[in-house]
Amino acid sequence: RKEVEQDPGPFNVPEGATVAFNCTYSNSASQSFFWYRQDCRKEPKLLMSVYSSGNEDGRFTAQLNRASQYISLLIRDSKLSDSATYLCVVNFNAGGTSYGKLTFGQGTILTVHP
Amino acid sequence: DTGVSQNPRHKITKRGQNVTFRCDPISEHNRLYWYRQTLGQGPEFLTYFQNEAQLEKSRLLSDRFSAERPKGSFSTLEIQRTEQGDSAMYLCASSARGTGGTYGYTFGSGTRLTVV
Repeated sequence: RKEVEQDPGPFNVPEGATVAFNCTYSNSASQSFFWYRQDCRKEPKLLMSVYSSGNEDGRFTAQLNRASQYISLLIRDSKLSDSATYLCVVNFNAGGTSYGKLTFGQGTILTVHP
Repeated sequence: DTGVSQNPRHKITKRGQNVTFRCDPISEHNRLYWYRQTLGQGPEFLTYFQNEAQLEKSRLLSDRFSAERPKGSFSTLEIQRTEQGDSAMYLCASSARGTGGTYGYTFGSGTRLTVV
């Protein structure tokens, strides 16, 4: 079983749609959670951190359920510019220390069309 | 320069040749990471440096791979006797010590390796 699993999609949605991505992780010692965005042939870039209380950044809402080991990302009012691969990322706490090693999911491809 | 710089951006090499990539992290970041990303997959961790010390290596890093960070600043990743399966994007990232070690985590643009 992969440490971080995502539905690879692809998701094809019209502009203005609401789309949700899900992710599960296997290591209960996980400490920090993120969503990254990656454009074609570019490096990953941090979209937002994910907190247990849930957090929102404009049209983007992230949720974390530690009990279920589940992370989600909701994008409202999709724009053409949202087309990208969305990576679910976990920072595991290894042996009581966490130095920043990130474990990535496979990525979910989103295409927003006119 | 405020970002992570990687060189070269692209490298095409013949199978069996050696290649070396360079990463210049953000200057105040003491932590440096290498990842490898193949088509359709997320990046996979290869190795981690804190200053000049290499503190963890993934099992993905076979004996043909070696990484150094001699003065705790830039890092090099060398692949010896390249194989077609080494074709991938090699990403470098750096961060400063902070919550979860991820403070200011920044990726470079990557080096795309093609082995023919």
